[in-house]
Amino acid sequence: QVQLVESGGGVVQPGGSLRLSCAASGFTFSSYGMHWVRQAPGKGLEWVAFIRYDGSNKYYADSVKGRFTISRDNSKNTLYLQMNSLRAEDTAVYYCAKDHDKAVATYFDYWGQGTLVTVSS
Amino acid sequence: DIVMTQTPLSLSVTPGQPASISCKSSQSLLHSDGKTYLYWYLQKPGQPPQLLIYEVSNRFSGVPDRFSGSGSGTDFTLKISRVEAEDVGVYYCMQSIQPFTFGPGTKVDIK
Repeated sequence: QVQLVESGGGVVQPGGSLRLSCAASGFTFSSYGMHWVRQAPGKGLEWVAFIRYDGSNKYYADSVKGRFTISRDNSKNTLYLQMNSLRAEDTAVYYCAKDHDKAVATYFDYWGQGTLVTVSS
Repeated sequence: DIVMTQTPLSLSVTPGQPASISCKSSQSLLHSDGKTYLYWYLQKPGQPPQLLIYEVSNRFSGVPDRFSGSGSGTDFTLKISRVEAEDVGVYYCMQSIQPFTFGPGTKVDIK
């Protein structure tokens, strides 16, 4: 069965950096696009970033463009999110999610359990 | 960005009774390829969201047939024919015709 396991969350000061990882199993990771989606405490869902199956195209929400970088290592079945210049409003649970398609961002069919990022001094 | 709205924002249902959630988008979700990019997710307490319905009316693998989706253009509905205790949580509609946006969520609990 599809499994997505996020790690790397924690407490970081404003302006700091953090790298999240998502280990994938149960499907052919290199054949699907992948996303990061976040949820601020007690709030709704916000899409963050998408990467094509081969890493050749990446898309970002305006709220994180220029600060966050999505990447993947298909040899390790792992998705990453490098987060720089973190702000208090980036505090959220970050979910890794599998896309239904390989090249085009369509929808999220499986989600990980999430990892909490807290930006606070 | 496309804005998604949902009504009601909360719903208390007696087990075995039906429930309905409305979702409206600020722009049509009908793409030139003929598909309508509207989805429904359920986030049970303490869990990540799970896909219920894709492209308006298609149940995802393993989703009980008491869940159904309908609608077109900008107006959509999720119906639960007979609510069960395991259906509690927050239901989100989502569009993907432009960078993804979600509705605010509808919290469903049991009376």
